[in-house]
Amino acid sequence: AQTVTQSQPEMSVQEAETVTLSCTYDTSESDYYLFWYKQPPSRQMILVIRQEAYKQQNATENRFSVNFQKAAKSFSLKISDSQLGDAAMYFCAYRSDSNYQLIWGAGTKLIIKP
Amino acid sequence: GAGVSQTPSNKVTEKGKYVELRCDPISGHTALYWYRQSLGQGPEFLIYFQGTGAADDSGLPNDRFFAVRPEGSVSTLKIQRTERGDSAVYLCASSFKWNTGELFFGEGSRLTVL
Repeated sequence: AQTVTQSQPEMSVQEAETVTLSCTYDTSESDYYLFWYKQPPSRQMILVIRQEAYKQQNATENRFSVNFQKAAKSFSLKISDSQLGDAAMYFCAYRSDSNYQLIWGAGTKLIIKP
Repeated sequence: GAGVSQTPSNKVTEKGKYVELRCDPISGHTALYWYRQSLGQGPEFLIYFQGTGAADDSGLPNDRFFAVRPEGSVSTLKIQRTERGDSAVYLCASSFKWNTGELFFGEGSRLTVL
């Protein structure tokens, strides 16, 4: 069975600095998708970034980028120029290409220090 | 509506009572998902609808849980004889198709069973 592990329950960063959130996953499949979601206190899950496993190029979305290491089954999220509005829970999630279920990590709480 | 709407936002009930949680997906989205998020954890899959039918209800924990989507739009998650362990945030998400595009989440319904 696929699993997703986020080993950092909490991270803090100074405003305007860079922070990296870690995620590892376990799967025997070759085609899949990886996601980072942000969950603010409003509870609504918001997609931050998405990576297709068949793509070698790391995904980027403005200040958010990933380091996707397929062989190591690692998928970290880098947030540059951190802003107060980035404070939230961040969840890493996996989906097989042949399934609709998202498998989620336990989340990392990101604190931004002004 | 513009986004996924879930009601009620918060529900407090007593052990043994019956509860209904409603999800109104984005118009035109045929795929609808329910996830359950316990405190300090990532969401867990409950059920997936494609149109009116439950394509996969393998995540429902037991027969006290049931969900419907009679007209292929609004869905209702029903919990009978609630137990304290049912306390969680119940998240609903929709997408145009299960294998393409982004999942859009509502803000969840927080259920507290006393």
